[in-house]
Amino acid sequence: GAGVSQSPSNKVTEKGKDVELRCDPISGHTALYWYRQSLGQGLEFLIYFQGNSAPDKSGLPSDRFSAERTGGSVSTLTIQRTQQEDSAVYLCASSQVGTADSSYNEQFFGPGTRLTVL
Amino acid sequence: SQKIEQNSEALNIQEGKTATLTCNYTNYSPAYLQWYRQDPGRGPVFLLLIRENEKEKRKERLKVTFDTTLKQSLFHITASQPADSATYLCALDRGGYSGGYQKVTFGTGTKLQVIP
Repeated sequence: GAGVSQSPSNKVTEKGKDVELRCDPISGHTALYWYRQSLGQGLEFLIYFQGNSAPDKSGLPSDRFSAERTGGSVSTLTIQRTQQEDSAVYLCASSQVGTADSSYNEQFFGPGTRLTVL
Repeated sequence: SQKIEQNSEALNIQEGKTATLTCNYTNYSPAYLQWYRQDPGRGPVFLLLIRENEKEKRKERLKVTFDTTLKQSLFHITASQPADSATYLCALDRGGYSGGYQKVTFGTGTKLQVIP
């Protein structure tokens, strides 16, 4: 498809289990972002990829969170030993820019994965 | 670190009136300031962008202003319609590729309700 896709759309898991969230960015977009949005809250930045490398991981809340990107395309966000406070919508976005000559960073968002930790 | 404040969590206006949403920030002035619309259960959608050297930008019924002295952006929707009801997010964009680090910082959003 033409847009950013995420899977699964909904995930319910038990506390202590690991989960993997997937993001397929728009083809050709070099930059990829993960955000978390809790109910009624703004977007919380988690991690940014430029190609396959992650120059900015400053938003990852703990070492239970990790992410990787392969082939400059698909990215997975993994949460180990999930806790109830991890419940949120996890949004992925991609943008075309990321070079020294780049201009603005209009981001294209996926529909999100709603994670519920029981 | 950058702090972004958007006016009241919710804003109710009458159909046909102009809605004005505010985005205030502290610390550095970004290269760009973006506005997004988010509908329930969906990801944000880009609307408009204004550069630090621009005072005003328009697109159809939308108008954005950017005052780097006040560290504020205003987002206006003229002749508002019920279909404009959504949450509007401002985002500060450093732009470019500064030292291998690039981040867009979002505000918490203002929920706009246009009443018929």
